[in-house]
Amino acid sequence: EVQLVQSGGEVKKPGESLKISCKGSGYTFASYWIGWVRQMPGKDLEWMGIINPGDSDTRYSPSLQGQVTISVDKSIDSAYLQWSSLKASDTAKYYCARLDSTGWYGLRYFDYWGPGTLVTVSS
Amino acid sequence: DIQMTQSPSSLSASVGDRVTVTCRASQSISSSLNWYQQKPGKAPKLLIYAATILQSGVPSRFTGSGSGTDFTLTISNLQPEDFATYYCQQSYNAPLTFGGGTNMEIK
Repeated sequence: EVQLVQSGGEVKKPGESLKISCKGSGYTFASYWIGWVRQMPGKDLEWMGIINPGDSDTRYSPSLQGQVTISVDKSIDSAYLQWSSLKASDTAKYYCARLDSTGWYGLRYFDYWGPGTLVTVSS
Repeated sequence: DIQMTQSPSSLSASVGDRVTVTCRASQSISSSLNWYQQKPGKAPKLLIYAATILQSGVPSRFTGSGSGTDFTLTISNLQPEDFATYYCQQSYNAPLTFGGGTNMEIK
């Protein structure tokens, strides 16, 4: 059974750093890109970026480039989302999801999702 | 970035109704369109990918149609468990942008 297990909720202060994780199981982790999706409280889904666990090729949303770092450790089937200096506006639930595809590369979709990690940034 | 515009943003319907949600892309995206369902506090769930293909395990009352810039999600014979928020997503070009969501409530 495919599963994505995310690390637990975090409460941080502005300016602090943070790294949250997403561990895949039940499939060949290196064979599927992993994506991160942000959902601010009461708001819509926002695509943050994706990473290829096989070669660490990473694509970021232009609006978030430089604000976060997406990484992976394929030896332990885990992907990460990292901040060096959190802001209050980073308060959100963060989902990781597996990216599958059919046919040509443009037919991609998130077929399995983690339960989300709630990050609260408050002074 | 490709902008995805969903309508309506909310709708009220009754069990047994047939409802339609539309999604419009700011440029042609061929068939690169996915639909997700999200319930409060839960992760989104994939319903339809590549505009028309039903994800395994999803009831056949969900259907997707469209190509190019205009897409539709239709739910026939609404069931109580269908009341949720629905999002479209384009997968044609990164960033793989989502629509603004359609919140479906019980009338």
